[in-house]
Amino acid sequence: DAKTTQPPSMDCAEGRAANLPCNHSTISGNEYVYWYRQIHSQGPQYIIHGLKNNETNEMASLIITEDRKSSTLILPHATLRDTAVYYCIVSLSGGYQKVTFGTGTKLQVIP
Amino acid sequence: EAGVTQFPSHSVIEKGQTVTLRCDPISGHDNLYWYRRVMGKEIKFLLHFVKESKQDESGMPNNRFLAERTGGTYSTLKVQPAELEDSGVYFCASSGYSLLSYNEQFFGPGTRLTVL
Repeated sequence: DAKTTQPPSMDCAEGRAANLPCNHSTISGNEYVYWYRQIHSQGPQYIIHGLKNNETNEMASLIITEDRKSSTLILPHATLRDTAVYYCIVSLSGGYQKVTFGTGTKLQVIP
Repeated sequence: EAGVTQFPSHSVIEKGQTVTLRCDPISGHDNLYWYRRVMGKEIKFLLHFVKESKQDESGMPNNRFLAERTGGTYSTLKVQPAELEDSGVYFCASSGYSLLSYNEQFFGPGTRLTVL
């Protein structure tokens, strides 16, 4: 699986958009970008995934650059409950693959 | 619909003792995974069941760890004998199977294991 690079931490004001970057310059053509998060003392939670096109669901939006070497997870209106560690993962398709967590980005939403 | 459940939520044992962790996946999910986070480290994959069969156990640290999934429903992870470095949080996850969509993994709340 391709390696990802994320900033270790970020702050975001409550109600503002949180933009979490991820670099995955060695991604191959058939690898997807996935995002999970872990809220303190809970199990990880799937957020969203994409291949080439931008994706949006009820939780977030995923913007993937045209060369696919980086992506951004957007939480449009961050709340205090979005404070968590966010993991960007690159892997082949198929959710029955193991999830390889890195160190992630610790997002602190500030009141 | 009930999510993935794990039992116990916390376990404190002494070095050399045996502990068994249990995971109940979401009903109908054939795929079951075990992960763990030891203190200060990243969440690491341990193994993957498809129904009752071990699909990938490449992450199991050593032969003190034994995972089973008899009947393809719930799973147990036994640590025998436990060592200090086994302390951490053990997560279980499950997923369904579809060729048409991403089979996201649903994680349980974890079991916090402390070995004294």
